[in-house]
Amino acid sequence: GAVVSQHPSWVICKSGTSVKIECRSLDFQATTMFWYRQFPKQSLMLMATSNEGSKATYEQGVEKDKFLINHASLTLSTLTVTSAHPEDSSFYICSARFQGGKNEQYFGPGTRLTVT
Amino acid sequence: TQLLKQSPQFLSIQEGENLTVYCNSSSVFSSLQWYRQEPGEGPVLLVTVVTGGEVKKLKRLTFQFGDARKDSSLHITAAQPGDTGLYLCAGGSAGGTSYGKLTFGQGTILTVHP
Repeated sequence: GAVVSQHPSWVICKSGTSVKIECRSLDFQATTMFWYRQFPKQSLMLMATSNEGSKATYEQGVEKDKFLINHASLTLSTLTVTSAHPEDSSFYICSARFQGGKNEQYFGPGTRLTVT
Repeated sequence: TQLLKQSPQFLSIQEGENLTVYCNSSSVFSSLQWYRQEPGEGPVLLVTVVTGGEVKKLKRLTFQFGDARKDSSLHITAAQPGDTGLYLCAGGSAGGTSYGKLTFGQGTILTVHP
């Protein structure tokens, strides 16, 4: 149980284009999903909290117009990197919060974005 | 702002050795999770502890939550090459604007040599 998928697993795009990454909770409903960015050999950096049916909450320093988040259903959240630049190249990981009192998050496998 | 200090950052040991990873904070957490991550993959949840003083065992891994719920440790007995990876501790917030968020430690890169 508690499986989260991400698509695509890797993507290469040209500078100036937009890329959409999907995050799905496969066997549970998630009213809250999170998007993280991770640099090599480092911990996770929270970018935003995605709540179903409402606007995402972005962490300080994260441009909301550049990283568009949509959480249209209880099992799907999307992150769109708009007008991508090489400095946006990174490993993006989503997680879904499992309902219950333990505050557990289950993570997707990640998406490797390379902007050329 | 809640901070979680994880140590050591890097650990390189021989197969069969024991090790302990620590996570410390000045803040109280409602829960503490430990994750393991392999390169190019997402973190996998190993355990969640919620009660002060709680100890959980998962085969050769022993997890402990401090009495005051501010710190935690992960102890691995007789490490194996398959234990190699990035270990992350994460503290859960009880409420307020941070409800549901996890505060992550800096991570510990463990390498176990055959």
